[in-house]
Amino acid sequence: DAGVIQSPRHEVTEMGQEVTLRCKPISGHNSLFWYRQTMMRGLELLIYFNNNVPIDDSGMPEDRFSAKMPNASFSTLKIQPSEPRDSAVYFCASSSVAPGELFFGEGSRLTVL
Amino acid sequence: AQSVTQLGSHVSVSEGALVLLRCNYSSSVPPYLFWYVQYPNQGLQLLLKYTSAATLVKGINGFEAEFKKSETSFHLTKPSAHMSDAAEYFCAVSEDGANNLFFGTGTRLTVIP
Repeated sequence: DAGVIQSPRHEVTEMGQEVTLRCKPISGHNSLFWYRQTMMRGLELLIYFNNNVPIDDSGMPEDRFSAKMPNASFSTLKIQPSEPRDSAVYFCASSSVAPGELFFGEGSRLTVL
Repeated sequence: AQSVTQLGSHVSVSEGALVLLRCNYSSSVPPYLFWYVQYPNQGLQLLLKYTSAATLVKGINGFEAEFKKSETSFHLTKPSAHMSDAAEYFCAVSEDGANNLFFGTGTRLTVIP
């Protein structure tokens, strides 16, 4: 099994630029999650989807952040415009029916200058 | 509201010594509880989970955790630390058995040779 695949692994951009992070969940998993990890705030849930439908986006910091899941095998997290405080590692995770068993990707490390 | 508190952001043990990582939870209903491990530059991996069956839960790599309702605790232990156990460990809780987990702030384990 290929696992959860995220791209890019590293992204360095300048303030004001648009950033798009991508995620391919494990085939057959029906839930997908986006988390953000920083030293200051730890691991925060941004949004999660169930069967491609956004269920809870209360963790999305502000309107600059948006996430989509057009089909069961692909999701994007977009930041427009990006700011230095968005610098973090963004993780995508997927799961099937077993409660709490999330499978994480290796993360996308974003640096906004 | 559900939450977890991990006591000690850093724990150091000698190789071969007992590992004890502390986690206390807050939940208004019987919770689902989890321990995840994160190795450097990787995503989180599930170590073990408690879902209201046996209170002593065994996980991978020789780790186990005991659910103690009276103490609202779910501490992680391993009898003998190995160098490969050096990582960050996260406790997580879910009240509804769904997959939106709330993670603690993590405990970084260092193993001294």
